[in-house]
Amino acid sequence: AQSVTQLDSHVSVSEGTPVLLRCNYSSSYSPSLFWYVQHPNKGLQLLLKYTSAATLVKGINGFEAEFKKSETSFHLTKPSAHMSDAAEYFCVVSLGGSQGNLIFGKGTKLSVKP
Amino acid sequence: DVKVTQSSRYLVKRTGEKVFLECVQDMDHENMFWYRQDPGLGLRLIYFSYDVKMKEKGDIPEGYSVSREKKERFSLILESASTNQTSMYLCASESTGTALTRAQYFGPGTRLLVL
Repeated sequence: AQSVTQLDSHVSVSEGTPVLLRCNYSSSYSPSLFWYVQHPNKGLQLLLKYTSAATLVKGINGFEAEFKKSETSFHLTKPSAHMSDAAEYFCVVSLGGSQGNLIFGKGTKLSVKP
Repeated sequence: DVKVTQSSRYLVKRTGEKVFLECVQDMDHENMFWYRQDPGLGLRLIYFSYDVKMKEKGDIPEGYSVSREKKERFSLILESASTNQTSMYLCASESTGTALTRAQYFGPGTRLLVL
């Protein structure tokens, strides 16, 4: 069965310091993995996706994630946090198939201190 | 860019009312989805549709129905709203491309309060 676990419900960083949001997945086959961001009272925006083309995936707003099969991880990173990065981040695994069903992690709320 | 719009950002309804939430996408996507998002529970799939007039139940379809009469429009219907349906409702659309191109794109959400 497919599942996704976000290891931290809340991460707090200072502006200008690195961001690390952790995600582990469980999948019986090669998964498609995504990170979405949700700002307060907004919908989800796609940050990046992994689909087996390259293990290091670059996304929007300076974020990137690395797929590590041996660790079943897909952690999201950014070298330097900005105040506008404060939001909730969701790691998502795709069940695949024609309907493209997704399994969402519980989310990690990122706070950025000035 | 893909654009997914939802008819209302905020709605307040009374218990027992029939509620319609509309979602429109402009990218000719085949698949469309309705989720609800609640604190501590994350996103849960209510219904999805992979073609006009086709629908499939998601994880929590009870109390909801859907309609897809046109490819670009997917409606969520609460036949008789109840207070436990107070939630944020998110619509998404997706093409049926390959795994390299497939991703779900979300609308801005509708925050529904049922009194």
